[in-house]
Amino acid sequence: QKEVEQDPGPLSVPEGAIVSLNCTYSNSAFQYFMWYRQYSRKGPELLMYTYSSGNKEDGRFTAQVDKSSKYISLFIRDSQPSDSATYLCAMSLMDSSYKLIFGSGTRLLVRP
Amino acid sequence: KAGVTQTPRYLIKTRGQQVTLSCSPISGHRSVSWYQQTPGQGLQFLFEYFSETQRNKGNFPGRFSGRQFSNSRSEMNVSTLELGDSALYLCASSRSPGQAYEQYFGPGTRLTVT
Repeated sequence: QKEVEQDPGPLSVPEGAIVSLNCTYSNSAFQYFMWYRQYSRKGPELLMYTYSSGNKEDGRFTAQVDKSSKYISLFIRDSQPSDSATYLCAMSLMDSSYKLIFGSGTRLLVRP
Repeated sequence: KAGVTQTPRYLIKTRGQQVTLSCSPISGHRSVSWYQQTPGQGLQFLFEYFSETQRNKGNFPGRFSGRQFSNSRSEMNVSTLELGDSALYLCASSRSPGQAYEQYFGPGTRLTVT
């Protein structure tokens, strides 16, 4: 079993829809939770990070962490065709390694 | 502020050859990590450097090596290339290892091994 699981999609939604992207994880020691967006043939772009549990909002994006369920989500409001990309979750231990563990990514397609 | 830069952007090599990839981190960032990304395996951690020292290493053979210079720039080297080494190689930087949650990626070097 992978430490971080993410549905590969693709997830296809109409423009303007609310998108929900999710990851589950098995290691309760993860403390930081990140979301990256990756366009085709580009490097991943950091969207936001959250420490421990709770919500964080940045414009149309909201990240949620539920440590009790080992489940994180990224919500995109008023989705746009330009949001079409692969979304990667990542998690970090706060031991001396500080290593990031990435999910495999979910492909999102927003239809005009 | 300039982002992470990687050179070259594209490379085509033959099996058995070796290759060196270069990464310049964001100004002020001293931690550099390298990743291999393939469609089948996703993003896999190669190694991380901080203050010219390798702090962490992923599960890759010894053919994969790296180093970091005093100006925080980093290089990775792959010797005796195999077809399976074809991938997007990504470099990422952060201010320090403890701030890996705020890690920024470069555009990557796409390596094709024929």
